Amino acid sequence: NAGVTQTPKFQVLKTGQSMTLQCAQDMNHNSMYWYRQDPGMGLRLIYYSASEGTTDKGEVPNGYNVSRLNKREFSLRLESAAPSQTSVYFCASSAVDSDRLKHGYTFGSGTRLTVV
Amino acid sequence: AQTVTQSQPEMSVQEAETVTLSCTYDTSESDYYLFWYKQPPSRQMILVIRQEAYKQQNATENRFSVNFQKAAKSFSLKISDSQLGDAAMYFCAYRTSYDKVIFGPGTSLSVIP
Repeated sequence: NAGVTQTPKFQVLKTGQSMTLQCAQDMNHNSMYWYRQDPGMGLRLIYYSASEGTTDKGEVPNGYNVSRLNKREFSLRLESAAPSQTSVYFCASSAVDSDRLKHGYTFGSGTRLTVV
Repeated sequence: AQTVTQSQPEMSVQEAETVTLSCTYDTSESDYYLFWYKQPPSRQMILVIRQEAYKQQNATENRFSVNFQKAAKSFSLKISDSQLGDAAMYFCAYRTSYDKVIFGPGTSLSVIP
């Protein structure tokens, strides 16, 4: 089925470890996003990519890096995990066209990350 | 900067009754879209309904409808004939002209049998 595939679904890291969250979409969307979700704070944008080869910081980029590998894939890397990065992470994608404003997002199923 | 506020952290409704979730936003843009997303315990984010700022008519999707008051920057969601499956976290969201979507903090809706 078409959609956004996000891996892994769950992960436990020790403080200081690194990891990469993977995201791929097969809807030919131009824009891709990484959000984190914390209780009482909704979803906050970490990084986004408006098109292949471009990335921009969102609201909470510190401690993260991203790579837009191609049109389909957008990865999020934690170089040195900290307990403050314990969260649920969502990847999303969106069409960008002449009616771009009307499109919401298609979301992945999320990754629950715990840093101990 | 755009912001989205949901003043009700938690709400509850009796099954088959109607409930309204509130949302206000702040923006200086003239053309934008507003959305309501549902997040059930499965964690999946599901688009419930969308509204274009230029359209006067309130959007409706089956049992879900919105009350969009542009001047007041208010965008409430009404759920009619509430069902057990409606229990979820609901997020109001605003899409900016820069293709970013800003989310409110969410309202947790419980449905009482």
